[in-house]
Amino acid sequence: SAVISQKPSRDICQRGTSLTIQCQVDSQVTMMFWYRQQPGQSLTLIATANQGSEATYESGFVIDKFPISRPNLTFSTLTVSNMSPEDSSIYLCSVERGDTQYFGPGTRLTVL
Amino acid sequence: QQPVQSPQAVILREGEDAVINCSSSKALYSVHWYRQKHGEAPIFLMILLKGGEQKGHDKISASFNEKKQQSSLYLTASQLSYSGTYFCGTQPASNTGKLIFGQGTTLQVKP
Repeated sequence: SAVISQKPSRDICQRGTSLTIQCQVDSQVTMMFWYRQQPGQSLTLIATANQGSEATYESGFVIDKFPISRPNLTFSTLTVSNMSPEDSSIYLCSVERGDTQYFGPGTRLTVL
Repeated sequence: QQPVQSPQAVILREGEDAVINCSSSKALYSVHWYRQKHGEAPIFLMILLKGGEQKGHDKISASFNEKKQQSSLYLTASQLSYSGTYFCGTQPASNTGKLIFGQGTTLQVKP
């Protein structure tokens, strides 16, 4: 398995502001993923973050809105920029270990 | 393309069995099953790789029919702790590492 922590665990933000979410893993991993889970919905992949290269974004997600950093093999950040109430969701990072993906505890974001 | 899960919701009594299905229109490399309880992160249950295998531990098992691109999760003699939302995550045949999740199946086990 993998031990993954996220900060903050939750936050309430005003529209138009930005929030950076951190994801820390207990050991080095090649691939890290960022997901969004809107209230009562499934998990939607935002982007894949590999160390040393630009993140790869899924359809409907753009770098200007969700910039991602991956400075090393145990850490990544996701920024939610210029937030609106529609960005209220749980944001989860996950890592791949072997063939399995493990999820962090998530960051619950509410935008007013 | 998002896999389709069925049923959307199940209500059981303790000790009863349930089957949750996951179907994809695309060729798959693997199917992953997760359980998520309210307010918590998804917890990994098991992975099935192409090759048409069946896996299980305790009273939870799963199968993967590679020809039909379908997977089924079997919950036997359900316990209260089985309550939650079950998601299948599919990985395309190209094996990019990305998972595409179904819409989820909510399981409620009552005493």
